Formats: sequence, C-alpha cells, structure tokens
Amino acid sequence: EAQVTQNPRYLITVTGKKLTVTCSQNMNHEYMSWYRQDPGLGLRQIYYSMNVEVTDKGDVPEGYKVSRKEKRNFPLILESPSPNQTSLYFCASSRGLAGTYEQYFGPGTRLTVT
Amino acid sequence: RKEVEQDPGPFNVPEGATVAFNCTYSNSASQSFFWYRQDCRKEPKLLMSVYSSGNEDGRFTAQLNRASQYISLLIRDSKLSDSATYLCVVNIGKFYFGSGTKLNVKP
Repeated sequence: EAQVTQNPRYLITVTGKKLTVTCSQNMNHEYMSWYRQDPGLGLRQIYYSMNVEVTDKGDVPEGYKVSRKEKRNFPLILESPSPNQTSLYFCASSRGLAGTYEQYFGPGTRLTVT
Repeated sequence: RKEVEQDPGPFNVPEGATVAFNCTYSNSASQSFFWYRQDCRKEPKLLMSVYSSGNEDGRFTAQLNRASQYISLLIRDSKLSDSATYLCVVNIGKFYFGSGTKLNVKP
C-alpha cells in the first residue's frame, strides 16, 4: 500500500530535550516536505526536499532541522524544543513540483512541549 | 496578500443541499490545483485535482477559471459524512494552501 508514515504519532516532551520525528514514504517520491498546523494559521511549510541531499527552508524553519540521506526518509529534528513548537506536524511527499502531481500526507504527529 | 484565499466559513447546510466553495489565487503562473479534505485533527486527503476543462467525480465537481484566477468546488446532495474542512491547494513551483473552508452538513 502506497503511504507516508510518521513516528511517533503523539509525543509529550520537555523544553530543550532533542527529538526526532521520522517520516518515510514507499512511493519513490522525489519531493518531501514538513508542515505544521496550528489553529487559525493553517498549514505552514517548515522545510522541503527536492531530492536526496537537497533541502531548503520553507516559511517557518526556525528551530528545526532536516536531512535527506535516502530518498524514502525525511526526518524532522528539533534540537532544543520550546513550547511554541507545540503543534500538529505533517510530513508529505509528491513525485515532484512540476506538472500536476499531488501531495500525499502522513497521519500527523501531535507534539506537546512543556 | 496571501497566495491562496478561501472563505473560512463555516458553511452550515442541510443534508441533500448543494454547496459551493470558491478559492482565489494571486499568481497567474500557477501550475496545478487541488482540493483536499481534512477531518478534524487528521491528515489532509486529496479529494480531486482540478483540470482546466473542469472535472467531476460523483457528487463533486471542480472548476478552474484562469482568467479570474479562482477554482471552485461544488458538492451536490450533501451527506453528513461530507462535514469536514476543504483545503484549496495551488502549485506555483511550491504548494500553497488556503486556510480551509469548514462545512457542516446537518440532518
């Protein structure tokens, strides 16, 4: 089954404790992206990747890091989480940005930073 | 000005009603267009892509008007299960999301 998976689905952590949210897709997609969704603010892009070893900042990259060492994986790293990073996070993938390719989303990770 | 704008609603309609949402985009170079459905606290799921000629999938019809730079989604014979937030997405070399239109279908 074609899918995007994220882990963990739920996470409660404390300020400053480094964490990684994993994202994996099995569709051989080149494009992957991370979004956060907050009430009243919609989906905002954190980072994206056009292909292996190619990543770039989205609209709200501060406080986050990513890496793309393999095509299927695109982990999101919070080196020193803060309460304002409490949010619902979605990973997404697509065949690419050219043409009419849609994005597929993972199930989301609900993060609470206390 | 936002790249993609939607009426946030909510649209409260009775079962069986026909409801239409519009979404405007600001960049005429926009390449592709989509409607996604998002249930509360769940991931967005593709409802349909929007093609220049318009397209229909069962009770759902999407239209693209490039001259006026908007896309629309028409839902006929609304069901309770159609209650959700509908996101407009535009690809301008990057995916831009509208803030979503909330639909409540009531018995």
